[in-house]
Amino acid sequence: IAGITQAPTSQILAAGRRMTLRCTQDMRHNAMYWYRQDLGLGLRLIHYSNTAGTTGKGEVPDGYSVSRANTDDFPLTLASAVPSQTSVYFCASSDSLDTGELFFGEGSRLTVL
Amino acid sequence: GQNIDQPTEMTATEGAIVQINCTYQTSGFNGLFWYQQHAGEAPTFLSYNVLDGLEEKGRFSSFLSRSKGYSYLLLKELQMKDSASYLCAVRDSNYQLIWGAGTKLIIKP
Repeated sequence: IAGITQAPTSQILAAGRRMTLRCTQDMRHNAMYWYRQDLGLGLRLIHYSNTAGTTGKGEVPDGYSVSRANTDDFPLTLASAVPSQTSVYFCASSDSLDTGELFFGEGSRLTVL
Repeated sequence: GQNIDQPTEMTATEGAIVQINCTYQTSGFNGLFWYQQHAGEAPTFLSYNVLDGLEEKGRFSSFLSRSKGYSYLLLKELQMKDSASYLCAVRDSNYQLIWGAGTKLIIKP
């Protein structure tokens, strides 16, 4: 079934540890995104990628990094996790940045202690 | 600053009609989206408006007035499975999506 796969589904992490959230899509979409969703707030964009080899910063990029080595994969890395990064993380993709709706993965629930 | 406003929570009765409003102030406008999100799940696409007027899709309709910075999502013949959060998002002049906090819709029998 075509779509977006995220891993892990949930994770508890000690502060200071490094963590990579994986995201893979098989829809051959050019654009990919990482959002965080916190209670009472709208989805906030962390990083995005217009196409393989390019990335850009969103609204809340600090403490996070991404890479886009190919069309399908867009991992998000927390170099040194802090408790304020406790959140639900959604990866999404769309045909391009300026057209089409976003398709979301099932989310990764991250708890930083 | 950019802002999307929508009610935090609404309650409606099964079989009835409900209208969820969304007002926005953004730097530019390149379309408005409505998404549905059930608790613990991913958002799923419902509708897209870029021109003024009403877009109808089955039991769901979405309306847009660009001059008023206003949209609504209309849900008819409500079913229990419609209990979810409804997210309004606007694509701004940089083609970034600005998201509202969502409206939690509670359906009662």
